[in-house]
Amino acid sequence: GEEVAQTPKHLVRGEGQKAKLYCAPIKGHSYVFWYQQVLKNEFKFLISFQNENVFDETGMPKERFSAKCLPNSPCSLEIQATKLEDSAVYFCASSQSERTGQAGYTFGSGTRLTVV
Amino acid sequence: GQNIDQPTEMTATEGAIVQINCTYQTSGFNGLFWYQQHAGEAPTFLSYNVLDGLEEKGRFSSFLSRSKGYSYLLLKELQMKDSASYLCAVYRAGSYQLTFGKGTKLSVIP
Repeated sequence: GEEVAQTPKHLVRGEGQKAKLYCAPIKGHSYVFWYQQVLKNEFKFLISFQNENVFDETGMPKERFSAKCLPNSPCSLEIQATKLEDSAVYFCASSQSERTGQAGYTFGSGTRLTVV
Repeated sequence: GQNIDQPTEMTATEGAIVQINCTYQTSGFNGLFWYQQHAGEAPTFLSYNVLDGLEEKGRFSSFLSRSKGYSYLLLKELQMKDSASYLCAVYRAGSYQLTFGKGTKLSVIP
């Protein structure tokens, strides 16, 4: 499709529970990016993929966060043992190439994670 | 590291012109994006500047000066629907990720 589809739109988890977020990139886009947006509009890069391979994971808190992009499946971002500070909107974006050029990334509508 | 600064909030009148500035300090600069984000929605692409100068797209224009580490987004003939956050984002060569500023919340008033 022509949109980046993220599910679920909202997710509520108790502290310590697991959270799993999904992203289906635009068909034909090779690159997938995950960003975390906390209050005050601060975007934090988490991880990027080139097809199913991790491209850049410098933003990932590795002890609790993991992500995958497997063939013929939506990409996923998983948080083990969620903490209150994980509450944020998680955006997925895709692009045709690493050089986004004039098109920029296309962002999904985000998953709002609330940890209580 | 990278440092991207833009004003936190701005208010402008319907029909007017507003300029939102963005300054950045980064190594390996490879382009600057402007995104618009309405509350509770995904950012949408507005413009991309990689060379110095002004890029015009309808009511929106974006300017870049690489030597000064400076960009601005110019919105003309403001409409109420332009009330949103405007995000400046730097694209750094080799990292293939965007680093965002904290966004400028623009309120358009009648």
